[in-house]
Amino acid sequence: NAGVTQTPKFRVLKTGQSMTLLCAQDMNHEYMYWYRQDPGMGLRLIHYSVGEGTTAKGEVPDGYNVSRLKKQNFLLGLESAAPSQTSVYFCASSYPRTFGGTEAFFGQGTRLTVV
Amino acid sequence: ILNVEQSPQSLHVQEGDSTNFTCSFPSSNFYALHWYRWETAKSPEALFVMTLNGDEKKKGRISATLNTKEGYSYLYIKGSQPEDSATYLCAFCSGGSYIPTFGRGTSLIVHP
Repeated sequence: NAGVTQTPKFRVLKTGQSMTLLCAQDMNHEYMYWYRQDPGMGLRLIHYSVGEGTTAKGEVPDGYNVSRLKKQNFLLGLESAAPSQTSVYFCASSYPRTFGGTEAFFGQGTRLTVV
Repeated sequence: ILNVEQSPQSLHVQEGDSTNFTCSFPSSNFYALHWYRWETAKSPEALFVMTLNGDEKKKGRISATLNTKEGYSYLYIKGSQPEDSATYLCAFCSGGSYIPTFGRGTSLIVHP
């Protein structure tokens, strides 16, 4: 049982380049999330999805796009990377709508540096 | 944007000390409150999922309480050990969206 898997783990981009971060979960979770973690800022929600084919903006969505074509995968795209997008990105998933719901399960993170 | 506050921001204690942290969240439209432990260079891992006012959860030396009417939760660590050093995050889930909104965390360092 792999849980939540993110690829890649590390990446260095030049300003203006594009890339896609892949998140895959094998727990049949409905909800998936992309967060970014910056020093002193905790985890901030970029985009989220409540089911296959649906996505929505979170707290800091600018400069990012997402897609959820399959229930198990949630992709985060950077069309034109900027130094301000240097961060650690975490994907997570959960199944919140049963009574009490489940906690979020996290991937191992992707450390992205934009130079 | 939901306001989830954690205090203190950081804490240094000696091995064997007991300590506690606070998480404050909106008192309306409550669905769940999560506590996570986040070790450096790892991913956050859930400690507790709390759903009912008055809930008390315990896992070893770590316990948590919940007051949904006044909008706060406490996390307690009894007899801190160096391996307890980590950042402790709380996350509030509202009944409207179910999306976890995280606080900024409390960084705990336990000195031997």
